[in-house]
Amino acid sequence: DVKVTQSSRYLVKRTGEKVFLECVQDMDHENMFWYRQDPGLGLRLIYFSYDVKMKEKGDIPEGYSVSREKKERFSLILESASTNQTSMYLCASSRGTAGVPETQYFGPGTRLLVL
Amino acid sequence: AQTVTQSQPEMSVQEAETVTLSCTYDTSESDYYLFWYKQPPSRQMILVIRQEAYKQQNATENRFSVNFQKAAKSFSLKISDSQLGDAAMYFCALGTSYGKLTFGQGTILTVHP
Repeated sequence: DVKVTQSSRYLVKRTGEKVFLECVQDMDHENMFWYRQDPGLGLRLIYFSYDVKMKEKGDIPEGYSVSREKKERFSLILESASTNQTSMYLCASSRGTAGVPETQYFGPGTRLLVL
Repeated sequence: AQTVTQSQPEMSVQEAETVTLSCTYDTSESDYYLFWYKQPPSRQMILVIRQEAYKQQNATENRFSVNFQKAAKSFSLKISDSQLGDAAMYFCALGTSYGKLTFGQGTILTVHP
């Protein structure tokens, strides 16, 4: 079974803090994704990566950055947390088959509260 | 730009009955895939069913089936013989060749015993 894990289930941070959310997958997937989930808005893509050290902006990248130094690990960074970044953050991974959006496997999510 | 719309924020069904969740989408791509994902309370999101747009036959997975109307850009999910374990948030998603998915707003399904 594919396993995607996230470093924290719940996180409380102060405004202005630098926040790191980490995601690890164990299926040698090429693609990894970071979403945020908000009520009434569904999931919105923040960043994705299709290879080590490669990254692409999603629909809402402002205020976020990412790092992928190893294939299995994809980190989301909030450089200076703000209250409007309070949300549920979901990581996902998938195979990188050319021309095909493969099934994405999700982590359990990190619920972030910024005070 | 791609959009996915789920117009039913909440739905409910009696155990053992059938329920249909609606989804409409818009894309200019000719080749794409459609997905339904399930997010149980406090549990990880999992794939329910997947449909390739070039296939005319509707996908089925046990009690779950879809009604794919390509011309109408509609992709509804039918759950037959509903069970208590089907209670969850359901998301419809559209994917194109780059691997990214665009998700709808989600529908919360409640199953009454």
